[in-house]
Amino acid sequence: EVQLLESGGGLVQPGGSLRLSCAASGFIFSDYAMSWVRQAPGKGLEWVSLISGSGGHTFYADSVKGRFTISRDNSKNTLYLQMNSLRAEDTAVYYCAKERGQLLANYFMDVWGKGTTVTVSS
Amino acid sequence: QSVLTQPPSVSGAPGQRVTISCTGSSSNIGAGYDVHWYQQLPGTAPKLLIYGNSDRPSGVPDRFSGSKSGTSASLAITGLQAEDEADYYCQSSDSSLSASYVFGTGTKVTVL
Repeated sequence: EVQLLESGGGLVQPGGSLRLSCAASGFIFSDYAMSWVRQAPGKGLEWVSLISGSGGHTFYADSVKGRFTISRDNSKNTLYLQMNSLRAEDTAVYYCAKERGQLLANYFMDVWGKGTTVTVSS
Repeated sequence: QSVLTQPPSVSGAPGQRVTISCTGSSSNIGAGYDVHWYQQLPGTAPKLLIYGNSDRPSGVPDRFSGSKSGTSASLAITGLQAEDEADYYCQSSDSSLSASYVFGTGTKVTVL
């Protein structure tokens, strides 16, 4: 069974840092691009970042560019999101998702984790 | 603010048909990018419902169908059931943004 399990969320002060992890199982991890998607309390979904299967290509939403870094360790089947200079508006549930598709522009997220909650507050 | 606009809410009685629109522009849906749909039941993670405009993953009932035309896409639910009460999001790409992917504003479906 394909599974994704996020961890690393918590309470952090504005300006602080946090690293999220997503442990993958049930599929050949290195074959698939992966994304992080977040959802602020009571709000809709926002795509945050994507990394290719090899880790050689990364993409970010403008709202996190320069502050967040996506990475992966294919030997550990784990996806990461390093979040620096955190702001109150980064407060959200963060989901990792497995990507699928033929062309990058038409990728879709076919498997989602349950999410981990990040709260940025003093 | 999302570039894909959905109605905030739609409702219907059990057994009825409801549709959810996803309105974009020439830089996203109108540019030929695929539209995908996700269902988010209360308190749970999103789940893929429709991909590639109109394809259903295995396990998704054929009551759910998707279509795309011009700068818009639609999700239809026929034979509405109580368990369909959820939030629904469309998703596509946009060539005018540096962000790779964009989600719609989301639609709450209420079963009366």
